[in-house]
Amino acid sequence: KNQVEQSPQSLIILEGKNCTLQCNYTVSPFSNLRWYKQDTGRGPVSLTIMTFSENTKSNGRYTATLDADTKQSSLHITASQLSDSASYICVVSAEGNTGFQKLVFGTGTRLLVSP
Amino acid sequence: NAGVTQTPKFRILKIGQSMTLQCTQDMNHNYMYWYRQDPGMGLKLIYYSVGAGITDKGEVPNGYNVSRSTTEDFPLRLELAAPSQTSVYFCASSRRVSTNEKLFFGSGTQLSVL
Repeated sequence: KNQVEQSPQSLIILEGKNCTLQCNYTVSPFSNLRWYKQDTGRGPVSLTIMTFSENTKSNGRYTATLDADTKQSSLHITASQLSDSASYICVVSAEGNTGFQKLVFGTGTRLLVSP
Repeated sequence: NAGVTQTPKFRILKIGQSMTLQCTQDMNHNYMYWYRQDPGMGLKLIYYSVGAGITDKGEVPNGYNVSRSTTEDFPLRLELAAPSQTSVYFCASSRRVSTNEKLFFGSGTQLSVL
């Protein structure tokens, strides 16, 4: 069964600190892995997309890593800001036989950055 | 560009009522999607469309209908609302379906069925 599991469920950090969010997946056949940021009451916004051959991808203070062998990904946030408070969702795309990519969403990690 | 626009933002329905959730995008994207997000669960695909006049079922289509008469609009219809349809609904679009193609989401419709 295709699944995406994220940890921790929630996290509180002090402003300016770094943090790392984890994502483990069992999705086959793997196509790509995406991280989204979802502010409260808003839709998800794409942070990074990584294919099988990409180990690391950065977007400003956000750095995602992918280990396709162990089927793990992480999202590292550097020098956190209050605006980083949001849910972070890991999404793994499975290649379909019709070419349509099925997205499997994790349940998200809720991050609170405290002043 | 406004991106993906959803209306209404909030709605309360009684059991058995019907309603249409509106979604429009101004990015000329071919692909559009409807997802639902339940508390503590990942988003689930309800329906999707690969272009005007073409729609297909996702993982959880029961109780919903869609149409795609134009590239811009992709309304979601609930015919007989049930409490199990209480959820937050997100519409999304993408230019095409390929490895690095981003999905752009609307801000959601929070629906309660009482």
